[in-house]
Amino acid sequence: AQRVTQPEKLLSVFKGAPVELKCNYSYSGSPELFWYVQYSRQRLQLLLRHISRESIKGFTADLNKGETSFHLKKPFAQEEDSAMYYCALLSGSEKLVFGKGTKLTVNP
Amino acid sequence: DAGVIQSPRHEVTEMGQEVTLRCKPISGHDYLFWYRQTMMRGLELLIYFNNNVPIDDSGMPEDRFSAKMPNASFSTLKIQPSEPRDSAVYFCASSPFFAGTGELFFGEGSRLTVL
Repeated sequence: AQRVTQPEKLLSVFKGAPVELKCNYSYSGSPELFWYVQYSRQRLQLLLRHISRESIKGFTADLNKGETSFHLKKPFAQEEDSAMYYCALLSGSEKLVFGKGTKLTVNP
Repeated sequence: DAGVIQSPRHEVTEMGQEVTLRCKPISGHDYLFWYRQTMMRGLELLIYFNNNVPIDDSGMPEDRFSAKMPNASFSTLKIQPSEPRDSAVYFCASSPFFAGTGELFFGEGSRLTVL
């Protein structure tokens, strides 16, 4: 069965420090993975998708099939990065399965 | 476009009462999803529609939950009778062509409290 695990419910870092939000998945097929973000008082929105190999707002995520991971990284965190982050797996091309989320707080 | 519109934004009701949540997807989007968010379980997919047809309702917790999409611009999620454990934030999301893109456009959510 498909599953997405985000082991950290809360993550707190200082401004300027590197940040890594962990995501592990379980899926028998070829995975398509995404990161969604929800800023305070805003809607949940797509941050990035692994297939695009893009960097959005300084964030990157690399799919590691050997470790079944898709960790989200940013070398220098900013206060405006404080938000709830969800890792998601596209299952069977039409079903998006989310992890439980990690709340990131970037302290000044 | 105002995006996905959900109503009500907040609902407080008593156990046993019927609750109806409403969603207006973005015009032209063929897919509509209902998710439930709780602290314990995170975001769970309840049901989704493609061109107004329910495709997968395996996430609907039990018979007390039902969802309809009578036309392309409106969907409802109904809970009857409601129970305290149904308290959660319910999100509706739509997508123009979901398969392969994985991008959903979410509403602001309906926060339900069942006393």
